[in-house]
Amino acid sequence: DVKVTQSSRYLVKRTGEKVFLECVQDMDHENMFWYRQDPGLGLRLIYFSYDVKMKEKGDIPEGYSVSREKKERFSLILESASTNQTSMYLCASSLYGQETPLRYGYTFGSGTRLTVV
Amino acid sequence: AQKITQTQPGMFVQEKEAVTLDCTYDTSDQSYGLFWYKQPSSGEMIFLIYQGSYDEQNATEGRYSLNFQKARKSANLVISASQLGDSAMYFCAMRERRGGATNKLIFGTGTLLAVQP
Repeated sequence: DVKVTQSSRYLVKRTGEKVFLECVQDMDHENMFWYRQDPGLGLRLIYFSYDVKMKEKGDIPEGYSVSREKKERFSLILESASTNQTSMYLCASSLYGQETPLRYGYTFGSGTRLTVV
Repeated sequence: AQKITQTQPGMFVQEKEAVTLDCTYDTSDQSYGLFWYKQPSSGEMIFLIYQGSYDEQNATEGRYSLNFQKARKSANLVISASQLGDSAMYFCAMRERRGGATNKLIFGTGTLLAVQP
């Protein structure tokens, strides 16, 4: 019954590596989001996408890029990983459209704990 | 300006007792929704309960209830009869109707709850 899948639960990468975090959803949602979670800072939005090939910056996009070539897949890319990108990364999806009832929130993946050494 | 405030970084509660997790929010929108999510140590975000701004009754879901005080702009989560499995991080979130078609949620910084035997 998995609906939003993040490809890795734990990841260790070296400084300077290019890192891909993958997220796939089977709920036919238009919206997909990438957040990072750090202690005391809550969830901060990195990027989101509301359609294939469409993307918008969130609150902390620096050092990240994204790709959405298919509706079900949203990838987060760290072009050159740095130690300050060590964090928990959460992917989420939701319905699109202002007419969507307010009670519909996000469906989350299980998260990827990334450590950059 | 922070839109969701969770003032309790961490809390302890004895097993079988009730606990209240605080959440205040800030919005000028008349139509909005409030959510609580639970994040166990495994990392996955689990939806717990929803309250709409026009709902006259406080939301309840099993042992979870939401103490909604609209005039005070508070949406506190009450967990009755705490269990060891309730130990987790809890996030309060809001969706505003005027937030547009992307239906983004705004999150608080979370409260870490530890249930003691």
